[in-house]
Amino acid sequence: DIVMTQTPLSSPVTLGQPASISCRSSQSLVHSNGNTFLSWLQVRPGQPPRLLIYRISNRFSGVPDRFSGSGAGTDFTLMISRVEAEDVGDYYCMQSTHFPQVTFGQGTRLEIK
Amino acid sequence: QVQLQQSGPGLVKPSQTLSLTCAISGDSVSSNSVAWNWIRQSPSRGLEWLGRIYYRSKWYNEYAASVESRITINPDTSKNQFSLQLNSVTPDDTAVYYCARDPGWLDFDYWGRGTLVTVSS
Repeated sequence: DIVMTQTPLSSPVTLGQPASISCRSSQSLVHSNGNTFLSWLQVRPGQPPRLLIYRISNRFSGVPDRFSGSGAGTDFTLMISRVEAEDVGDYYCMQSTHFPQVTFGQGTRLEIK
Repeated sequence: QVQLQQSGPGLVKPSQTLSLTCAISGDSVSSNSVAWNWIRQSPSRGLEWLGRIYYRSKWYNEYAASVESRITINPDTSKNQFSLQLNSVTPDDTAVYYCARDPGWLDFDYWGRGTLVTVSS
């Protein structure tokens, strides 16, 4: 099984300051077609998951440019350049390279200090 | 704008069948380019992809190994919706169940609001 490990599990951040979440996979996420199917999802309280980033670094439609993704192979990062109050919630990385094994990280809770 | 509207009971007895429906607006269950998925989230299991259905001149299903023997996802083209059936449920199946669209690149871009299903007698 592909295991996705996120750090930290909780991230208290000051408004206006940057935040960073790491995600490590137990196997390479490079697909045989050359793409890397690593995404980031946001879950705000009381809301369904929302796609933020797909294929490592592509922002989904409507996602603010303060969100960015990077990484390669087995190590990936979600960055928020300046945290806003509306960013509070849980963040999950997800791999679908090894479909039909689709696996998610355990989540990182972003909270305001 | 794609919208997914979920419906179904919030309480199911152990050993019975969990049934949920996801009604689609702004897209078609028979689209040749997308796939329709069920995903659940629980404190014990986290987020877990359950399976999907899609149409490419005929209907296809793919299911997660963890539920493959108990799950069925079906389309209903007359109502533009798809359904989830999970048989022989146990309390471990208690979760928030989401339907979601895969736009064709193995991601989930639109989600239903979720249905909390509790398995309890």
